[in-house]
Amino acid sequence: DVKVTQSSRYLVKRTGEKVFLECVQDMDHENMFWYRQDPGLGLRLIYFSYDVKMKEKGDIPEGYSVSREKKERFSLILESASTNQTSMYLCASSLRSDSVFPDTQYFGPGTRLTVL
Amino acid sequence: QKEVEQNSGPLSVPEGAIASLNCTYSDRGSQSFFWYRQYSGKSPELIMFIYSNGDKEDGRFTAQLNKASQYVSLLIRDSQPSDSATYLCAVPLGAGSARQLTFGSGTQLTVLP
Repeated sequence: DVKVTQSSRYLVKRTGEKVFLECVQDMDHENMFWYRQDPGLGLRLIYFSYDVKMKEKGDIPEGYSVSREKKERFSLILESASTNQTSMYLCASSLRSDSVFPDTQYFGPGTRLTVL
Repeated sequence: QKEVEQNSGPLSVPEGAIASLNCTYSDRGSQSFFWYRQYSGKSPELIMFIYSNGDKEDGRFTAQLNKASQYVSLLIRDSQPSDSATYLCAVPLGAGSARQLTFGSGTQLTVLP
């Protein structure tokens, strides 16, 4: 079974703090994704990565950065947390699109971040 | 037009009935389609994917794809209260080796005992 884990289920931070959210997958997937999910707005893609040290902006990258130094690990960084970044953050991973079952994304349990 | 649209719901059905969830997409070139289920407070989990026109059945779930009309639907037969969740339709968009999944906004389903 694919397993995607996230470092924290709940996190409370203060405005201006630097926040690190970590995601690890154990299935040797090439692609990894960070989303945020807010009521009424659905899942929105922040960043994704298709290889080590490679990253692409998603729909809402402002205020975020990412790091992928190892294939299995994808980190989301909030350089200076703000209250409007309070949300549920979801990490996902998938195989390459030319694999037998392309594009299926497997999600981690999520991190509910509150910025005070 | 949104790239992936779902009937917004919420949808309520009695236990034992058929629940029908619909999704339309804008990209005629899309080849694969996914249905995820998300329980309240949990992360989305894949329940079905479909690539070919027609029906694909898995237990009580049937995915139906009509590429000419650009819609994909999910039927849940003999609905159970445990099926109460938000159902997300997802379609890959873009090119290259890491195509993004674009998700619909989801349909909240409640199965009434």
